[in-house]
Order: sequence, then structure tokens, then C-alpha cells
Amino acid sequence: GAVVSQHPSWVICKSGTSVKIECRSLDFQATTMFWYRQFPKQSLMLMATSNEGSKATYEQGVEKDKFLINHASLTLSTLTVTSAHPEDSSFYICSASQSSYEQYFGPGTRLTVT
Amino acid sequence: RKEVEQDPGPFNVPEGATVAFNCTYSNSASQSFFWYRQDCRKEPKLLMSVYSSGNEDGRFTAQLNRASQYISLLIRDSKLSDSATYLCVVDDNFNKFYFGSGTKLNVKP
Repeated sequence: GAVVSQHPSWVICKSGTSVKIECRSLDFQATTMFWYRQFPKQSLMLMATSNEGSKATYEQGVEKDKFLINHASLTLSTLTVTSAHPEDSSFYICSASQSSYEQYFGPGTRLTVT
Repeated sequence: RKEVEQDPGPFNVPEGATVAFNCTYSNSASQSFFWYRQDCRKEPKLLMSVYSSGNEDGRFTAQLNRASQYISLLIRDSKLSDSATYLCVVDDNFNKFYFGSGTKLNVKP
């Protein structure tokens, strides 16, 4: 149980385009979903927290107009990287939670912006 | 100051060795603590939660010292398959996880 999927697993896009990443909880309803970013040899950094049906809460330094998060249902959250630049190239990982203490991580999406 | 700090390593140990990692955290109000394992280019996977009384799961033992605000992970009888990066994670009590930068372990034959 507690499986989280992400799609796509790997994407290459051109600078200036937008990319959408999906995060799904497959066998449970996630009241909260989290989006993280991990640069090479660095730790996961929380970008934003989203609760179903409400606006996401962004961490300091994360541009909400650049990283659009939608959490339309209890099993799906999407992250759209708008007007992507090479410095946005990173490993994006989502996690989903149905309780206060556990987060289940998706397999991650590797974004490369050329 | 980082919320969670770890020695990045790498720790290079032979098979069968015992190895220990420490992690310190800055928020004294933190309530939940975890060790995650991350393999290269993969998502983190929960290894074990860390309780005040200490807990053991097979070859792995985790301990929490609230007074000194540090968490430890002990791995006994290391296996080649234990090679990975071990992430210390602290929950600030609002279901917000703070990750350490990870400690890399290489177990050699």
C-alpha cells in the first residue's frame, strides 16, 4: 500500500517552455501533497505544501507564479514549471500524506532544460 | 544555520563492519524523526522512524538524544546492498519535513 507515482519520470524541454509534472497517490487519499526539489549532491528542499482544494503554501524563495501547483483531487497534484530555464533543471519529487507523520514519496521526475 | 546537519561522508567500510552516522537538528520543538535511504537517482525510502526510547530493526538501530538534539543510526554487519545515501529527516510538528544533506555509505567487498 501507500504507492505514489509521478509522471513523467524524465523530461527534456527547451528554455522558455512550460512543463507539467503529475503526482498521484494510487491506493490512498492524500489530504496533503508536498513538492521537493533536489539538486545534485544536495538534500531535498521543500518547495511547497498543497492541500486538496486550497491554494498551495510556498516556501520562502520559491516563486509561486513560476511553479504552479494544483491539487484538484485527493489523489492528484500537479506542478507546472513555467517558462523553464536551465537553472530549473533538477530532480523534482513529490510526496503524499494522509496522516500527520508519514509521507510517501514518488519516484521523482528528472527535468533537464536545454 | 541549517535545520538538519549531517556529515556528508563518504564512509567507506568493508563488508561486515559496523558504522554509525549522526545528525543534529536545530529546532528543539521538533517531534518526529526519521532515517531515509536514498539510492542514486531514486526517491528516498523510509528506513525507520526514531523514537525517544531508541529502536532497533534487524541490523539497524536508531537513537534520539533530545537534550543534545541529535539522532544516530547504527548499522551492524554491513552488506554491499547497504551502500546508499542516508538522509536524516526531522518533522517540525507541522508535517513539514526537513532533510539533511545525507551521508554517503560505500560498503566494499
